[in-house]
Amino acid sequence: LAKTTQPISMDSYEGQEVNITCSHNNIATNDYITWYQQFPSQGPRFIIQGYKTKVTNEVASLFIPADRKSSTLSLPRVSLSDTAVYYCLVGDSSASKIIFGSGTRLSIRP
Amino acid sequence: NAGVTQTPKFQVLKTGQSMTLQCAQDMNHNSMYWYRQDPGMGLRLIYYSASEGTTDKGEVPNGYNVSRLNKREFSLRLESAAPSQTSVYFCASSEVGRITEAFFGQGTRLTVV
Repeated sequence: LAKTTQPISMDSYEGQEVNITCSHNNIATNDYITWYQQFPSQGPRFIIQGYKTKVTNEVASLFIPADRKSSTLSLPRVSLSDTAVYYCLVGDSSASKIIFGSGTRLSIRP
Repeated sequence: NAGVTQTPKFQVLKTGQSMTLQCAQDMNHNSMYWYRQDPGMGLRLIYYSASEGTTDKGEVPNGYNVSRLNKREFSLRLESAAPSQTSVYFCASSEVGRITEAFFGQGTRLTVV
């Protein structure tokens, strides 16, 4: 899996839009960008995956520029329950293993 | 549909004791994984199994052994527990060709005293 760099922590307030950026300069042609969310005392949960441009689901949006060297996870109108660690992974979906980095610890305040 | 089930949820061991952490998935996935997560840290891969009958070392395999009993079950064994193995252990599974869309269990919180 390609090496990724994301902020260690971020703070925001309820109702705000939060954008977490992940840098992956060495992304390969076959690599996808995947984000996981981990609530305290729970296992990580897959939330979104994309290859290029924009992907949106009920939880988040993922923006990927044309060069694919970075990506941005966007959480609209966050609430206290969005407080979690968010992990960015970049790799070929046919790879044999998944390696996680340190993630971004997002804290939402009232 | 239970997904990934881990047992036990909590365990306290004395240094030198052994134990096996159990993991079972009901999604017919080929790949299974064991991770450990120390307080305030990210997940580190201990062992993984790309298919039934195969296992491979991850980032931190020392002190652990694994068994892929069948397609559903993947166990992690600590032969002689040490305080440094105090951690939360997560099991996960994923489908071939969709490796990066993994499903995780709720974790086993292990304390070695």
